[in-house]
Amino acid sequence: EVQLVESGGGLVKPGGSLRLSCAASGFTFSDYSMNWVRQAPGKGLEWVSSISSSSSFIYYADSVKGRFTVSRDNAKSSLYLQMNSLKAEDTAVYYCARGVGARTIDYWGQGTLVTVSS
Amino acid sequence: QSALTQPASVSGSPGQSITISCTGTSSDVGAYNYVSWYQQHPGKAPKLMIYDVSDRPSGVSNRFSGSKSGNTASLTISGLQAEDEADYYCSSYTSSSTLAVFGGGTKLTVL
Repeated sequence: EVQLVESGGGLVKPGGSLRLSCAASGFTFSDYSMNWVRQAPGKGLEWVSSISSSSSFIYYADSVKGRFTVSRDNAKSSLYLQMNSLKAEDTAVYYCARGVGARTIDYWGQGTLVTVSS
Repeated sequence: QSALTQPASVSGSPGQSITISCTGTSSDVGAYNYVSWYQQHPGKAPKLMIYDVSDRPSGVSNRFSGSKSGNTASLTISGLQAEDEADYYCSSYTSSSTLAVFGGGTKLTVL
């Protein structure tokens, strides 16, 4: 069974940093691209970042480019999102999600809440 | 990168069929057959319902179907059931530097 478990969310002040982690199990992590997708309270889904299986290709939404960095450790079956210079508008539930290349996202974690507030 | 355009809400009675549209551009929906649809119940993670415009993952009811014409994709749910009440989101691969884009979401109410 595919499992994706996010951690690292919490309350942070504007301008602060936070690192999210996602522990994957139930599949060969190194075979799949991975994504971060966020959802602000009461709002829709927003794609944040994607990283290919070997980390060769990395993409970011314009809203986070230059502030967020995605990475992965295939030996640990883990995905990460380093978030710097956080803004109030980054407040959201952040989902870790498995990609099938660039075609689709087929499995999602339960999400971790990030709140940016003074 | 602008979101794909979906109606804010749709509704239907049990047993009826509804269709949700998802309008993009020639850089995303119109250019690639990489349109997906997700179902999200309140407080839950999204669930993949349709990928590659019209393919269903294993375990998804055949009451759910997808199609595309030009820059607009559509999700049709036939034989509406109470448990279909949820938010639905479309997404597409995009040729822009950002890779993927979601629609704003559609709230389905089963009357």
